[in-house]
Amino acid sequence: QVQLQESGPGLVQPSQTLSLTCTVSGGSISSGGSYWSWIRQHPGKGLEWIGYIFHSGDTYYTPSLKSRVTISADMSKSQFSLKLSSVTAADTAVYYCARDYGSPWGQGTLVTVSS
Amino acid sequence: DIQMTQSPSSLSASVGDRLTITCRASQGIRNDLGWYQQKPGKAPKRLIYAASSLQSGVPSRFSGSGSGTEFTLTISSLQPEDFATYYCLQHSSTPWTFGQGTKVEIK
Repeated sequence: QVQLQESGPGLVQPSQTLSLTCTVSGGSISSGGSYWSWIRQHPGKGLEWIGYIFHSGDTYYTPSLKSRVTISADMSKSQFSLKLSSVTAADTAVYYCARDYGSPWGQGTLVTVSS
Repeated sequence: DIQMTQSPSSLSASVGDRLTITCRASQGIRNDLGWYQQKPGKAPKRLIYAASSLQSGVPSRFSGSGSGTEFTLTISSLQPEDFATYYCLQHSSTPWTFGQGTKVEIK
């Protein structure tokens, strides 16, 4: 079955760019019909969908983050990535990757923005 | 954006109780809704997709219903492992949006 695993730095300096990668195993991210999403959860808070990349390479980002977000994919490595620029403490959260409408999810990775 | 209003935000219940959680959409979303369970320190897990279809491997005490703007998640007989936070997610139109969550605690 498909499994997802996030990786990347757990600490990012303010004003820098947060970069995370999601590695997909047990399936191909280029397979038809799949959305590959990033979702975050601020400490003790609810879930916020960040955006997705479709199997075709099309992307969509939530408007509140659109100016700072890029989601890309490396089909050959079965990976997709999140870049969030100009981060502040408000971007401290657990970041999850997920397939389609949230099935399955990666285990999540905590990213702290602090100097 | 479609707003998802989830209620209640929290509840206390006992093992064996029947409980219902509701999500209301600010506009019609057909049946483009899922329900998710999240336990502390863990990733969410989908329970229901397409508003009423049970995810493979999920116990049959979980059920979902609704279409359009009003949706419910029902747990027919609460088990100890069901104490968690539950979220709905609409994917009818972008941006996809979650409900605020319902925390189910032990009475």
